[in-house]
Amino acid sequence: KQEVTQIPAALSVPEGENLVLNCSFTDSAIYNLQWFRQDPGKGLTSLLLIQSSQREQTSGRLNASLDKSSGRSTLYIAASQPGDSATYLCAVLSGGYQKVTFGTGTKLQVIP
Amino acid sequence: EAQVTQNPRYLITVTGKKLTVTCSQNMNHEYMSWYRQDPGLGLRQIYYSMNVEVTDKGDVPEGYKVSRKEKRNFPLILESPSPNQTSLYFCASSYSKGVGYTFGSGTRLTVV
Repeated sequence: KQEVTQIPAALSVPEGENLVLNCSFTDSAIYNLQWFRQDPGKGLTSLLLIQSSQREQTSGRLNASLDKSSGRSTLYIAASQPGDSATYLCAVLSGGYQKVTFGTGTKLQVIP
Repeated sequence: EAQVTQNPRYLITVTGKKLTVTCSQNMNHEYMSWYRQDPGLGLRQIYYSMNVEVTDKGDVPEGYKVSRKEKRNFPLILESPSPNQTSLYFCASSYSKGVGYTFGSGTRLTVV
């Protein structure tokens, strides 16, 4: 059974810092990995999707990497801003069809 | 606008009273899925559907039913709700396997 872990559970950084969020998974036979952000009381917004054949994806200040063999993904956020404050979730698609497993998230607070 | 629409956004009901949470997408997506989100447990998949009339259980299907009679709609049915089904529910869809999910805004259900 796929298990997805995100460490740390919470992170507080001053504005302007570069930071890395971690996601690890137990079964390397994944189809893809997706990073989301969730604002309090809101739905999930997709940030980046990495296919199993890819090593990384970039969007603006965000860069996500994937190392399937070690079961790890990182989300790098450059020059953090208060608007980046949210919970960040990673989700892994594995198994035969749409079997998606989420991590429990990292709650990020960027302090002005 | 491409979106996944869930209704209602908020619902308070009593134990045992049947309810349906609707989910509709306007993107002609094949894949749809339901999740529940609980503190400390993250998002867990309830049911998913690969196409019309094709559905399968996720990690926590007990107490829920789904149907997929049309491509755009994927309702979640609670035949006899219980307090342990109090949760935040999300519907999601994707064009095909490996493309990544688009999420609805969520339905906060309280069963008393």
